[in-house]
Amino acid sequence: SQKIEQNSEALNIQEGKTATLTCNYTNYSPAYLQWYRQDPGRGPVFLLLIRENEKEKRKERLKVTFDTTLKQSLFHITASQPADSATYLCALDRNAGNMLTFGGGTRLMVKP
Amino acid sequence: NAGVMQNPRHLVRRRGQEARLRCSPMKGHSHVYWYRQLPEEGLKFMVYLQKENIIDESGMPKERFSAEFPKEGPSILRIQQVVRGDSAAYFCASSPRQGVQETQYFGPGTRLLVL
Repeated sequence: SQKIEQNSEALNIQEGKTATLTCNYTNYSPAYLQWYRQDPGRGPVFLLLIRENEKEKRKERLKVTFDTTLKQSLFHITASQPADSATYLCALDRNAGNMLTFGGGTRLMVKP
Repeated sequence: NAGVMQNPRHLVRRRGQEARLRCSPMKGHSHVYWYRQLPEEGLKFMVYLQKENIIDESGMPKERFSAEFPKEGPSILRIQQVVRGDSAAYFCASSPRQGVQETQYFGPGTRLLVL
């Protein structure tokens, strides 16, 4: 069966360090992968999209990699700040359509 | 430019009542998606609609749940005869076009509590 796995345990890091979150998937052949941020009581907010033929994508302090051989995406936040504390969700397209399937999310806590 | 709007933000219902959740997509967006998020769980796709059409409802429970996106007005997710297990946050998202690379813009969600 299709699965998207993110580390369900919270990731605690010190301010200024790089946070690295992992998204692994099985039995998918996604055309693209997206990362979203979700704060408590709020809806997800889109951060980055990376296509299957792209190895890496950057946006300010964010970097996403996409390895279709390993079936894995890594999401990095450099020079992390307490304001980066949130839950981060990865999402894959279903059958090359609009519908997204989300992972369970990883909660990031950045301590000052 | 208003974002995706959902109302009500919080809804309390007793078992057996009906719940109606509304979603107004962003201006210019004709594609609407509904997701459910149970406590401590990820978002689960429910249904994908375009104006007056249900495109994919593979994530929707077969009974008691229905969705529509009329030509005029918001999209409605309707839950009949609610049960405690329906308690969750329901999120609506919209996108401007159909395509494999379209970003979805989410609303703030409706938190449904069934007593």
